[in-house]
Amino acid sequence: DGGITQSPKYLFRKEGQNVTLSCEQNLNHDAMYWYRQDPGQGLRLIYYSQIVNDFQKGDIAEGYSVSREKKESFPLTVTSAQKNPTAFYLCASIRDGARNTIYFGEGSWLTVV
Amino acid sequence: DAKTTQPTSMDCAEGRAANLPCNHSTISGNEYVYWYRQIHSQGPQYIIHGLKNNETNEMASLIITEDRKSSTLILPHATLRDTAVYYCIVHNAGNNRKLIWGLGTSLGVNP
Repeated sequence: DGGITQSPKYLFRKEGQNVTLSCEQNLNHDAMYWYRQDPGQGLRLIYYSQIVNDFQKGDIAEGYSVSREKKESFPLTVTSAQKNPTAFYLCASIRDGARNTIYFGEGSWLTVV
Repeated sequence: DAKTTQPTSMDCAEGRAANLPCNHSTISGNEYVYWYRQIHSQGPQYIIHGLKNNETNEMASLIITEDRKSSTLILPHATLRDTAVYYCIVHNAGNNRKLIWGLGTSLGVNP
């Protein structure tokens, strides 16, 4: 079955460390997104990419980096510059086309210890 | 992408219809209205979408006003498993840009 796979589901990071969250999709979708969600809050856009080798900053990109070397992969790195990284991270993708829906991964919990 | 506004929370009795409103007064002619829901600590799940006509599927119905400035998601017979945060979002997937999400409506279904 096609879908989006995020890994790891749970991740603990020491302060000052960079960590990378994986997002892979086998849906042949063009656009991919990373969102951050804090408890009781909505989804805030970190980065998005509409085509391979191109990506754009979202509303809260500071302290994060991404790459889009392959259509199916859009990893997110949480750098040490992100001062409050503890949150739930969601990856999403959508195929170009007016009637297409957004698919989400199951999310990754990142905790700084 | 147009912005949406939704009530913060709503309650519904089990077995009754749940009607969740959404305002999208700045929607453009080629933007669709989509509804998703999120159960705690999971990825949002697609429910339904529409352009200007009312839509119905096995999960819900979507009523869009004639001027398209607002819509209502209807869960015809709410169950405890429908307790979730419901998001209304408008976008034109044929011209993908930022997909901006609001805070959604937290629906509580009471026994």
